[in-house]
Amino acid sequence: GAGVSQTPSNKVTEKGKYVELRCDPISGHTALYWYRQSLGQGPEFLIYFQGTGAADDSGLPNDRFFAVRPEGSVSTLKIQRTERGDSAVYLCASSLTQGNHYGYTFGSGTRLTVV
Amino acid sequence: GENVEQHPSTLSVQEGDSAVIKCTYSDSASNYFPWYKQELGKRPQLIIDIRSNVGEKKDQRIAVTLNKTAKHFSLHITETQPEDSAVYFCAASKAYAGNMLTFGGGTRLMVKP
Repeated sequence: GAGVSQTPSNKVTEKGKYVELRCDPISGHTALYWYRQSLGQGPEFLIYFQGTGAADDSGLPNDRFFAVRPEGSVSTLKIQRTERGDSAVYLCASSLTQGNHYGYTFGSGTRLTVV
Repeated sequence: GENVEQHPSTLSVQEGDSAVIKCTYSDSASNYFPWYKQELGKRPQLIIDIRSNVGEKKDQRIAVTLNKTAKHFSLHITETQPEDSAVYFCAASKAYAGNMLTFGGGTRLMVKP
């Protein structure tokens, strides 16, 4: 597609529930990143995929968070047993990593509210 | 790990004046420094970036300078316009290591007409 697409744009869930957030990167972008942005703060790194594999998941806060990218394109961020502190905007970004191109393109994000 | 500090947290200028936002980083191995503009409720958008082999880069009204020795870099916006009002984020990464970005805390720029 023309840009990074994230769905849903908004998600309200009850504490303890399971949620899935989807990211569809720009076609041909091999690198995919998930970030979390709390109100008034900069984005914080969660996980990075190069192709199908998670190259770095050091930013995932705990084992309730998991992400997959089974075919090297669409990625899903999964959060189990949601807590109110998980409320934030979850941003996905993709980029080319070959040559000298390092710039990210972010999606519009999913605003997750845990009540 | 990398730590990026950004100042000021808020900046108010008159239309037509210049604005300067400064960032420092901790990891001397970082070599890529992008700046993002984020309008309320919108996605962060890359406005300019600089790599460690360059000291300055300019694109129309915006410029970025990098001092590797001091580990700081700055964004300069000249002839500010009301549409420049937004939150600006600096970031740093080691681009050869997957390009995970560490962001600063952001600067809310307000340009008064």
